[in-house]
Amino acid sequence: EAGVTQFPSHSVIEKGQTVTLRCDPISGHDNLYWYRRVMGKEIKFLLHFVKESKQDESGMPNNRFLAERTGGTYSTLKVQPAELEDSGVYFCASSQGWAQYFGPGTRLTVL
Amino acid sequence: EDQVTQSPEALRLQEGESSSLNCSYTVSGLRGLFWYRQDPGKGPEFLFTLYSAGEEKEKERLKATLTKKESFLHITAPKPEDSATYLCAVQAESGYSTLTFGKGTMLLVSP
Repeated sequence: EAGVTQFPSHSVIEKGQTVTLRCDPISGHDNLYWYRRVMGKEIKFLLHFVKESKQDESGMPNNRFLAERTGGTYSTLKVQPAELEDSGVYFCASSQGWAQYFGPGTRLTVL
Repeated sequence: EDQVTQSPEALRLQEGESSSLNCSYTVSGLRGLFWYRQDPGKGPEFLFTLYSAGEEKEKERLKATLTKKESFLHITAPKPEDSATYLCAVQAESGYSTLTFGKGTMLLVSP
């Protein structure tokens, strides 16, 4: 069974540019989560989809972040415009029960 | 606010030298406590879920235990391939199914 995949693995952009991260969950998992780890800190929750609906977006830092989940399958997380403090590793996870399975992450560097 | 504190931050062991990692938590009603292993450049890999005080789970050289305030990850006779960062996370009963993570314990096992 294929795991959670994320694209790209790395992204380096200039401040003010736009970046879109993609996550493909494990097939059949209705729940999809986005998390972020900034340097020196713990992994923190951003938002949670159930199928195509946003269940909880309380962790989204501000309105520069936009997440979508098309047809309840893959999800995208867009950062527009990117700021220096957005740098970090963005993880996607999916679940069908309580255990969440994580992807390898996208390392975002904003210069 | 839910909180997870892991100790020590880093641990260096000789191969075969058993030890324990600690995860202390405060949460408004625990639904589950999760242990993950993370290798450099990869996403967290699910290890265990514990749901109630007194519960224990085992996998190879790892055993996780749970009390009402903390969880321990016991590593028996570790091998170099057990070297990784071990993450603890809690999920609260209230609200949705988001995970609150600790910063992790970086374990290095020398041959």
